[in-house]
Amino acid sequence: AQKITQTQPGMFVQEKEAVTLDCTYDTSDQSYGLFWYKQPSSGEMIFLIYQGSYDEQNATEGRYSLNFQKARKSANLVISASQLGDSAMYFCAMSTESGGGSYIPTFGRGTSLIVHP
Amino acid sequence: KAGVTQTPRYLIKTRGQQVTLSCSPISGHRSVSWYQQTPGQGLQFLFEYFSETQRNKGNFPGRFSGRQFSNSRSEMNVSTLELGDSALYLCASSPRTSGGHTDTQYFGPGTRLTVL
Repeated sequence: AQKITQTQPGMFVQEKEAVTLDCTYDTSDQSYGLFWYKQPSSGEMIFLIYQGSYDEQNATEGRYSLNFQKARKSANLVISASQLGDSAMYFCAMSTESGGGSYIPTFGRGTSLIVHP
Repeated sequence: KAGVTQTPRYLIKTRGQQVTLSCSPISGHRSVSWYQQTPGQGLQFLFEYFSETQRNKGNFPGRFSGRQFSNSRSEMNVSTLELGDSALYLCASSPRTSGGHTDTQYFGPGTRLTVL
């Protein structure tokens, strides 16, 4: 079974500082995708970044980067230069084949990030 | 491109009633998935539709059903509502062009259902 673990229920960071949100995963599949989503209090899940299991370079999208350590099965999200608008829940997800050609992501329980001015 | 839209955004129902939620995917996206999000259980997968066919189903009772139309719009129905069905229901669409794990799901704003 696929599993995503986010061990930090809550994180606090000062504005303009960098913060790392932890994510570890468990799968026996060789081919999988890792995603991070942001969910503000409004409820919408916003896609942030994607990393493929065969990608050798860490993914980056603006202020977001994914620290991918395959051997340790970790996919930590790094947010550089935090902004007040980054305050939200952050979810790590892993996509593997679920049968019938369908790829259904498994989500972690999320980390609540609060950015202080 | 317009994002995923869901209607209604908020809904209040009483136990025993039924409810239908609607989701319009991003133009060109053929896959629509539904999720239930609660504080206790987190984000749980309900089902996925692709080209009007249900391709995958989560571990939910038969009271939860869905369908997809030829224009890829999808509806989700919950019959005989229970208090525990109170949740945020999220719809996500993906292009499914690569057919693999690289497909990114894009979510709508959700429908917040309260069952009294």
